Amino acid sequence: QKEVEQNSGPLSVPEGAIASLNCTYSDRGSQSFFWYRQYSGKSPELIMFIYSNGDKEDGRFTAQLNKASQYVSLLIRDSQPSDSATYLCAVMEYGNKLVFGAGTILRVKS
Amino acid sequence: GAVVSQHPSRVICKSGTSVKIECRSLDFQATTMFWYRQFPKQSLMLMATSNEGSKATYEQGVEKDKFLINHASLTLSTLTVTSAHPEDSSFYICSARDVGGTDTQYFGPGTRLTVL
Repeated sequence: QKEVEQNSGPLSVPEGAIASLNCTYSDRGSQSFFWYRQYSGKSPELIMFIYSNGDKEDGRFTAQLNKASQYVSLLIRDSQPSDSATYLCAVMEYGNKLVFGAGTILRVKS
Repeated sequence: GAVVSQHPSRVICKSGTSVKIECRSLDFQATTMFWYRQFPKQSLMLMATSNEGSKATYEQGVEKDKFLINHASLTLSTLTVTSAHPEDSSFYICSARDVGGTDTQYFGPGTRLTVL
């Protein structure tokens, strides 16, 4: 079983700050990486996916991938209280199955 | 965007009964759907991969005779929890793979099952 590791948090940031969420994975051959957001009692919703080394930006979100270090991160700029949720990192493995990390709880304080 | 629905959203049943959960992709075709289970304060655990027109593939430790999966069409997969017991109480979530777009998985809203 491939492993995906995340710091469980909670990560607390003030409103307007940058939140940085990190994830490491064990399978060096992994090619596809996803960030999902999950509010309490709800199902995950896709934020971003990234396949190539480097940065990928979408609005206030930036995903960063470093395959050599087996590391993927998510930056949230201008954090808002509505961003408070659990952020799940997922790595796609053989058979298009997603392996999820345990998630990082983010709390944005107003 | 890609929309996946699940029905019912919440179900309470007595121990020993069976419960069927439906997962539908509303605006795209999904040859593959996935069923997950999530216990409180834990991450999602994949139970099985549902392929249209063929048998489901179950993850290690998941009883295929207890969790029956049927993927009869490109937009519908069903999960039946047979002879449910209190330990089966959980949040069941399906996802569908959009092969026509970015090949990502979109999740349904989930079904909360409580077995008394």
